[in-house]
Amino acid sequence: AQKVTQAQTEISVVEKEDVTLDCVYETRDTTYYLFWYKQPPSGELVFLIRRNSFDEQNEISGRYSWNFQKSTSSFNFTITASQVVDSAVYFCALSDGASGGGADGLTFGKGTHLIIQP
Amino acid sequence: DGGITQSPKYLFRKEGQNVTLSCEQNLNHDAMYWYRQDPGQGLRLIYYSQIVNDFQKGDIAEGYSVSREKKESFPLTVTSAQKNPTAFYLCASSILLRAYNEQFFGPGTRLTVL
Repeated sequence: AQKVTQAQTEISVVEKEDVTLDCVYETRDTTYYLFWYKQPPSGELVFLIRRNSFDEQNEISGRYSWNFQKSTSSFNFTITASQVVDSAVYFCALSDGASGGGADGLTFGKGTHLIIQP
Repeated sequence: DGGITQSPKYLFRKEGQNVTLSCEQNLNHDAMYWYRQDPGQGLRLIYYSQIVNDFQKGDIAEGYSVSREKKESFPLTVTSAQKNPTAFYLCASSILLRAYNEQFFGPGTRLTVL
């Protein structure tokens, strides 16, 4: 069975600090996909990144970076020089490829509420 | 602009009444999904559909029903059999029902049962 754990329920930092959101996943499949979504106060989830299980390269997009480590089953998300606009709930999600192509939808973690104080 | 619309944004119903939540997409996506979100919880899959006139139960389908008569539309009915219907409901779509396809989400409907 799939499982995604985001142990940090809430993180509060002061603007311009760096912050890392942790994500640990469990799956029996060798082919799977990991996602990060942002949920601002408006409620709509915004897609941030997708990573497949065969690509362990870290990725950087502006102030955002992701560290994928299969050895520890983790897919952590770092925001550098945080800004107030980064305040949101961030979800890590998992989809495996063995069930005929994502037939089970996404398995979400419970989310991390990130608060950036000015 | 392409996207997913959900209506209404807020919905209030009396206990025991059925209620239907609307979800429309103009992205030409084949797959559509319904998720439920409770406070402090992640999203849980209710139903999904990969093609017109076909849909499958997700993890928490009891007390819910769906239809997929048109590619663009995937309405969700919350029936009186759903024991705790108050929640935030999110509709999503993806190009195909594939594990690697990212899902795009609508703005959500917040349902409160009085």
